[in-house]
Amino acid sequence: GENVEQHPSTLSVQEGDSAVIKCTYSDSASNYFPWYKQELGKGPQLIIDIRSNVGEKKDQRIAVTLNKTAKHFSLHITETQPEDSAVYFCAASIKGAQKLVFGQGTRLTINP
Amino acid sequence: DAGVIQSPRHEVTEMGQEVTLRCKPISGHDYLFWYRQTMMRGLELLIYFNNNVPIDDSGMPEDRFSAKMPNASFSTLKIQPSEPRDSAVYFCASSLTGTGGEKLFFGSGTQLSVL
Repeated sequence: GENVEQHPSTLSVQEGDSAVIKCTYSDSASNYFPWYKQELGKGPQLIIDIRSNVGEKKDQRIAVTLNKTAKHFSLHITETQPEDSAVYFCAASIKGAQKLVFGQGTRLTINP
Repeated sequence: DAGVIQSPRHEVTEMGQEVTLRCKPISGHDYLFWYRQTMMRGLELLIYFNNNVPIDDSGMPEDRFSAKMPNASFSTLKIQPSEPRDSAVYFCASSLTGTGGEKLFFGSGTQLSVL
């Protein structure tokens, strides 16, 4: 079955700097790759996703890139702000399988 | 819409007791998922339903765990008897038909502590 590895487990950056979180997946049939943000005491919330027919997607300060050949995808946050502090999860799924497999999470801390 | 609603938010019980967690999905969503979150294992899918029918329960750890969805607006996850290793945050999530269960909307979770 699918396995998703996420790195780093913790990340600390200065406010205004960029943050990058990376994930690899094992199943070449996977074709949907979402990113979720989890704030303290809340459930994960979808922030951006990408499908395997595109290599990059942007939404304001957030971007995701996908390299299907290498089976890895990354989350990029630019101009980080204190409210970006949270745990971020990557995930992967196979269309039609209705099952997301999550990475272990990255605790991102933005230092003022 | 109020989003996915879970109750209770916190549950503290003693080993051996029965625990019932409740979930109300977003109206119109046809998929419902139960996840468990722990530090060691991260987010694990326990079971999911489509149109109230259980589709895949391969993630349910043991026979002590059971889940039901009697109608489109309500689901329960039951643990009987509970054990300390069941302590975790349990999330319910729902998604729309057409997304293939991909775009999940999570509830706020139930923090379960089994003493």
